[in-house]
Amino acid sequence: DGGITQSPKYLFRKEGQNVTLSCEQNLNHDAMYWYRQDPGQGLRLIYYSQIVNDFQKGDIAEGYSVSREKKESFPLTVTSAQKNPTAFYLCASSPGGGPGYEQYFGPGTRLTVT
Amino acid sequence: QQQVKQSPQSLIVQKGGISIINCAYENTAFDYFPWYQQFPGKGPALLIAIRPDVSEKKEGRFTISFNKSAKQFSLHIMDSQPGDSATYFCAARSTGFQKLVFGTGTRLLVSP
Repeated sequence: DGGITQSPKYLFRKEGQNVTLSCEQNLNHDAMYWYRQDPGQGLRLIYYSQIVNDFQKGDIAEGYSVSREKKESFPLTVTSAQKNPTAFYLCASSPGGGPGYEQYFGPGTRLTVT
Repeated sequence: QQQVKQSPQSLIVQKGGISIINCAYENTAFDYFPWYQQFPGKGPALLIAIRPDVSEKKEGRFTISFNKSAKQFSLHIMDSQPGDSATYFCAARSTGFQKLVFGTGTRLLVSP
């Protein structure tokens, strides 16, 4: 089956710990994205990558880091510097980065930090 | 400039009725407007999308109406069904700009 997988579905961490969220796609898409979703705020872009070994900050990149060493993988690390990390995190991919390329979303990871 | 304003925040419609969700934007460089449907605990899924060179696009019970001069677009769900109960997001992207800008979402409940 082709698609985007995110693991785990639920993640619990103690405050002050870094945590890495996994995102894998087998769609052969060039571009990948990370969004954060909070109630009543829609989806906000954290980071995006158009090609391997390259990525750009989105609107809310502070406290997050990413890597893009392989085309199919785009892990997101939520660092202890992120002040309010509890949220629903969504990974997406698209064949290209420009207009007309649809973004396809994974099932999401719900992170709870206490 | 980069915002997309979506209304209403929530909507209750009776089965068989028409659900209407509205979005407005300021950035005239936006040239692609998708709508996403999201069920609880799931990722959003692309529902329908439109470009500003057409005023309407219909796919089954879902229709996007686009008013370029007013910088507004809306989603109409005809013959709404309980299975349509979900959160709907409008979005916009500008030429040469890789990011989608999302509205804040509308939570639709279709009562049986």
